[in-house]
Amino acid sequence: SQQGEEDPQALSIQEGENATMNCSYKTSINNLQWYRQNSGRGLVHLILIRSNEREKHSGRLRVTLDTSKKSSSLLITASRAADTASYFCATRAQKLVFGQGTRLTINP
Amino acid sequence: DGGITQSPKYLFRKEGQNVTLSCEQNLNHDAMYWYRQDPGQGLRLIYYSQIVNDFQKGDIAEGYSVSREKKESFPLTVTSAQKNPTAFYLCASSIGGDTGELFFGEGSRLTVL
Repeated sequence: SQQGEEDPQALSIQEGENATMNCSYKTSINNLQWYRQNSGRGLVHLILIRSNEREKHSGRLRVTLDTSKKSSSLLITASRAADTASYFCATRAQKLVFGQGTRLTINP
Repeated sequence: DGGITQSPKYLFRKEGQNVTLSCEQNLNHDAMYWYRQDPGQGLRLIYYSQIVNDFQKGDIAEGYSVSREKKESFPLTVTSAQKNPTAFYLCASSIGGDTGELFFGEGSRLTVL
């Protein structure tokens, strides 16, 4: 399976700190996407990185992609309490396949 | 505003009953998807449709059925053949092709009593 696997499964940090989440996958991909899900809500697309890109930024988000290691990381800088959510990576080949997510808790 | 709407948000069903979840989008997207999410888990693809009047099975299609008679609508029926239907169901849409991001609805939580 090409399913992404996030690490850690859960992360708890203090407000203002940076949060890093990792995603590993098994097969070649066209792109990798990160999504956010607040409890009991739908997913919201955060950022897409193509297989020929190595790094991408969007506001306080920084995503890296290492296709040789089949891994990606999502960095949220200067975290806020409102960043508390689950974060999912999704890898795209023929279909978009989601990992199991990282539950991020930002403590005020 | 453009978006994707799922209804109902909460639904209770007795065992042996079929139930249909609604998904409507006004984004003019060609592709639509149904995912199932269990507690603490990722999303698993049930069915998807790349174009009107066509749809394909995803990874866990058994016990589910769909139709795509209109571009904006992609209802999901959870049949009595689905052995463990209690879950959170998410509908999504995308422009199409193999690169686009997905836009999600707010989900429907189905509980079988």
